[in-house]
Amino acid sequence: KAGVTQTPRYLIKTRGQQVTLSCSPISGHRSVSWYQQTPGQGLQFLFEYFSETQRNKGNFPGRFSGRQFSNSRSEMNVSTLELGDSALYLCASSLQGKGETQYFGPGTRLLVL
Amino acid sequence: DQQVKQNSPSLSVQEGRISILNCDYTNSMFDYFLWYKKYPAEGPTFLISISSIKDKNEDGRFTVFLNKSAKHLSLHIVPSQPGDSAVYFCAAEDARADGLTFGKGTHLIIQP
Repeated sequence: KAGVTQTPRYLIKTRGQQVTLSCSPISGHRSVSWYQQTPGQGLQFLFEYFSETQRNKGNFPGRFSGRQFSNSRSEMNVSTLELGDSALYLCASSLQGKGETQYFGPGTRLLVL
Repeated sequence: DQQVKQNSPSLSVQEGRISILNCDYTNSMFDYFLWYKKYPAEGPTFLISISSIKDKNEDGRFTVFLNKSAKHLSLHIVPSQPGDSAVYFCAAEDARADGLTFGKGTHLIIQP
């Protein structure tokens, strides 16, 4: 079974631009979560989607948003990029979400200049 | 306020010996705990998990112990192998919500 895939793997943007990252979960998994990893803050939860609905959201500004499609694929969007948004963005999937193991993709490395 | 703490940024262990990685948490609503291993520029790889109704879970060389009264869990790797050198993250899930809370990680170095 293929693992979680994320595209693109690397991205360079400038301040003020917006970016969209994509995540394809493991086949059959319906829950998709997004995380941000930075050297200072570590791994932080952004939001989780299940059946096209956002079920939970971490402590991030409204510039960070996401969505999930009927095939469980998910996208996250960051608008009005700031230098501090430079990070590794990780997507994880699980069958139903709560109380289950989340499997991570390789991440998208975003650099904001 | 860090709810999951890994107080040792790094740990060096000789090959063949036991590696013990520790994790403390403050949120009493955490009910599911996981350990992940991570190499640079890759996503975390799941190692082992434990539910709050248990105090031990074993999978091959990996054993996780949970002490709920002390709000402490540990990962034991025995015997340690060179391929175990990586950053290990402890993560916890709140009973009320989805989404994992991670510690800052411990860099495990296995020395030959």
